[in-house]
Amino acid sequence: DAGVIQSPRHEVTEMGQEVTLRCKPISGHNSLFWYRQTMMRGLELLIYFNNNVPIDDSGMPEDRFSAKMPNASFSTLKIQPSEPRDSAVYFCASSRGAQNTEAFFGQGTRLTVV
Amino acid sequence: GEDVEQSLFLSVREGDSSVINCTYTDSSSTYLYWYKQEPGAGLQLLTYIFSNMDMKQDQRLTVLLNKKDKHLSLRIADTQTGDSAIYFCAESIGGATNKLIFGTGTLLAVQP
Repeated sequence: DAGVIQSPRHEVTEMGQEVTLRCKPISGHNSLFWYRQTMMRGLELLIYFNNNVPIDDSGMPEDRFSAKMPNASFSTLKIQPSEPRDSAVYFCASSRGAQNTEAFFGQGTRLTVV
Repeated sequence: GEDVEQSLFLSVREGDSSVINCTYTDSSSTYLYWYKQEPGAGLQLLTYIFSNMDMKQDQRLTVLLNKKDKHLSLRIADTQTGDSAIYFCAESIGGATNKLIFGTGTLLAVQP
């Protein structure tokens, strides 16, 4: 298996633009997580899905952020409109979903909003 | 509430032991994890411990859990330069779904 695949690896965009980050989880995994990593705040859980259903989105910072999981093999995290303070590395992770299962991380998308 | 804290930085000499500490607040955590992040990469699971265990050893890694104090530690024996990375502890919360809350991360610098 290729692991969790995120795209793009790097994104530079202007303030106010819409940004869409993509994630393909490992086949057979039914939990998917979106994290944001910054120097100031560390690794924050934004939202997670179980069987394509959002379970907890309490970490989503604002209404500008939205996430979808239309099927078991694809998820998106969208920021509209983007702001410079959204600059961070965004990680997607997937797991089998039961207790004590390893979460596998993608390589991350480094987002820079100028 | 859900809060996991770690010291930010640790520097050791090659060959010495490293001990990275973590405190968590959610007493309902069933599993606790240690992840490693190398520069420019995602996180990789190193080891985990079930909450009813006090200790787990895995080659050079020893995990100690004090559930009463909600304190977790990771000891790396014979630390190598390749161990230089950021180490995250994480707690598993939330019933059937493995919701992971991560600590702030500890940067381990190994001096040759």
